[in-house]
Amino acid sequence: EADIYQTPRYLVIGTGKKITLECSQTMGHDKMYWYQQDPGMELHLIHYSYGVNSTEKGDLSSESTVSRIRTEHFPLTLESARPSHTSQYLCASSSGIDEQFFGPGTRLTVL
Amino acid sequence: LAKTTQPISMDSYEGQEVNITCSHNNIATNDYITWYQQFPSQGPRFIIQGYKTKVTNEVASLFIPADRKSSTLSLPRVSLSDTAVYYCLVVTGGYNKLIFGAGTRLAVHP
Repeated sequence: EADIYQTPRYLVIGTGKKITLECSQTMGHDKMYWYQQDPGMELHLIHYSYGVNSTEKGDLSSESTVSRIRTEHFPLTLESARPSHTSQYLCASSSGIDEQFFGPGTRLTVL
Repeated sequence: LAKTTQPISMDSYEGQEVNITCSHNNIATNDYITWYQQFPSQGPRFIIQGYKTKVTNEVASLFIPADRKSSTLSLPRVSLSDTAVYYCLVVTGGYNKLIFGAGTRLAVHP
């Protein structure tokens, strides 16, 4: 059973607010990822990290930022939320070239 | 990264075998073929990965011909709970970035 957690599961927030989506994994994986997925649409990689103090932007441009200070923790921050940020955000981790373990996701709604 | 093409949707009935084919004409020597399953409002879940010939696990089989330009995910005796979106991905060894396409929406009917 994959041990990767995301909080909150659901978030409704007003425009302009700063938010942080939490992601933690207890598997000791070096690699972690953030994906964005609109309902019924494809997943898009927005950030990834290959280890502590390593972060890279993904294939989809995003106004969010990430940090990786600890192996197990990979939070995503939006400094000023906008309605266009409404989406589902999925965190994942892996140890190598094989499977990525995904968290349950955070469904964000910005009013 | 190799682009993949798979059917947008498929329909099946309980108890049938389902085969979903994916084409990846530009696959490179150090690329692996990986399949994920996603249920609504959940993150994708790894199903199977292979490099060539045939791979089988407890939930599926993956058939890869010698030229590796396509692959087929085989789900034996599907049930209603197999209704989901299935993604075919090509992953470059040592790179581990996943590029998800639209996937195949499988609907299993009673």
